[in-house]
Amino acid sequence: KQEVTQIPAALSVPEGENLVLNCSFTDSAIYNLQWFRQDPGKGLTSLLLIQSSQREQTSGRLNASLDKSSGRSTLYIAASQPGDSATYLCAVNSGGGADGLTFGKGTHLIIQP
Amino acid sequence: GAVVSQHPSRVICKSGTSVKIECRSLDFQATTMFWYRQFPKKSLMLMATSNEGSKATYEQGVEKDKFLINHASLTLSTLTVTSAHPEDSSFYICSARWGGNEKLFFGSGTQLSVL
Repeated sequence: KQEVTQIPAALSVPEGENLVLNCSFTDSAIYNLQWFRQDPGKGLTSLLLIQSSQREQTSGRLNASLDKSSGRSTLYIAASQPGDSATYLCAVNSGGGADGLTFGKGTHLIIQP
Repeated sequence: GAVVSQHPSRVICKSGTSVKIECRSLDFQATTMFWYRQFPKKSLMLMATSNEGSKATYEQGVEKDKFLINHASLTLSTLTVTSAHPEDSSFYICSARWGGNEKLFFGSGTQLSVL
C-alpha cells in the first residue's frame, strides 16, 4: 500500500528566503506526482505535475523534482512571499484506488512579512 | 484552467438532519467526480467515486446509505449526508476530471458542522 510522508509538517520562515518542502513515498511504481496548494478552508489548487519519466517541472518561482527510484520529491520555492503561506500537499498517482491518488498530510507554510 | 464549483462553502446543521453538497464542473464535462473527506491536519481521504449515469463506488468503510451520491449529469454531482451526527463534521471536497485526463480539478470544499 502506497504511503506518502511530508516533512516538515510545519515551517515558518522570513519573507525572501528560498525553501524546500519534502515528500517521500514508499512504492516507486508511480505514474506521476502532483503538488497542490491548499489555503485555509479552501479546496486544492494544482501547482505542478511531474510524470514518472520526468526529473523536474518548473512554474515561476516553483520547481518540483522527482527521484522515483529513491521515492522522493522536493518542492523548491524561490524568494518566498507572504502570499505563499498555505498548506502544500503532495499526491502520488500509483494507480491504486479509484482516483489513483495517495495524499500526504501536507506542510503548513507560513511566510513572515 | 478547468473550474469546479462546490456549494455551499460552509453549513451548520442540527443533528439528525440531512445536508446536500453540490459539485459542478463549469467549463468541462466531468465524466468522473470524486468526493473526499479531510479532518484537521490530516490527508484527504477518498470517500467515493461518482460516474455520470451510474451508481457511485464507495471506498471501504464509507457507509453508502449515509453518504448518498448522485451524478445525474456530466456537470453535476451531489453528496447528501443523511441523518447527520456530530462525528460527520468535517471538510468535504470534490474533484472532477474528464475522459482519460489524469489531472484532477478540485472544488473549494465544504465545511460541515453538525451540532
